[in-house]
Amino acid sequence: GAVVSQHPSWVICKSGTSVKIECRSLDFQATTMFWYRQFPKQSLMLMATSNEGSKATYEQGVEKDKFLINHASLTLSTLTVTSAHPEDSSFYICSARRGLVQAEQFFGPGTRLTVL
Amino acid sequence: AQSVAQPEDQVNVAEGNPLTVKCTYSVSGNPYLFWYVQYPNRGLQFLLKYITGDNLVKGSYGFEAEFNKSQTSFHLKKPSALVSDSALYFCAVRDRRGGADGLTFGKGTHLIIQP
Repeated sequence: GAVVSQHPSWVICKSGTSVKIECRSLDFQATTMFWYRQFPKQSLMLMATSNEGSKATYEQGVEKDKFLINHASLTLSTLTVTSAHPEDSSFYICSARRGLVQAEQFFGPGTRLTVL
Repeated sequence: AQSVAQPEDQVNVAEGNPLTVKCTYSVSGNPYLFWYVQYPNRGLQFLLKYITGDNLVKGSYGFEAEFNKSQTSFHLKKPSALVSDSALYFCAVRDRRGGADGLTFGKGTHLIIQP
């Protein structure tokens, strides 16, 4: 149990276009979902936290108008990178948590975004 | 602000020997602490967590970790390493008092188990 999927697993797009990444909890309802970014040979950096039906909370330095997060249901969150540029190229990872804040997060396999 | 330090980029251990992957943390309050493992082309997998109670926490695949409040450490250990334990290990923390709801991760430690 506790499986999280992401789609697509990788995407290549042209500069200026928008890309949507989906994150789904397959076998549980996620009260909270998170989006992280991982640079090569670096750790995961939290971008934003989203709760179903409410606006996402973005970390300092993350542009909310560039990284649009929608958490429409207890099993689906989407991250849209708007007007993508080469510096947005990265590995984006989502996670989902059920229940209380001390519960562990379950992570998706990640999405590799390359902006040309 | 909260932070996690994993002082070793890589740890090499012979198969069958005990292993330790080090982690220290900094939070303003009391921590929730987690260990995750990442295999190539796979998502992070949860190993174990410390919330409260017994300082020695046992997790998946024979791993355990000891919470040491005075040293602000949460080292990951296993009595006898397997080649299949070779992977990238992340320590993570969340401050109980609040702040960001997500986790703050260390930079990761590559664990290499030599046959």
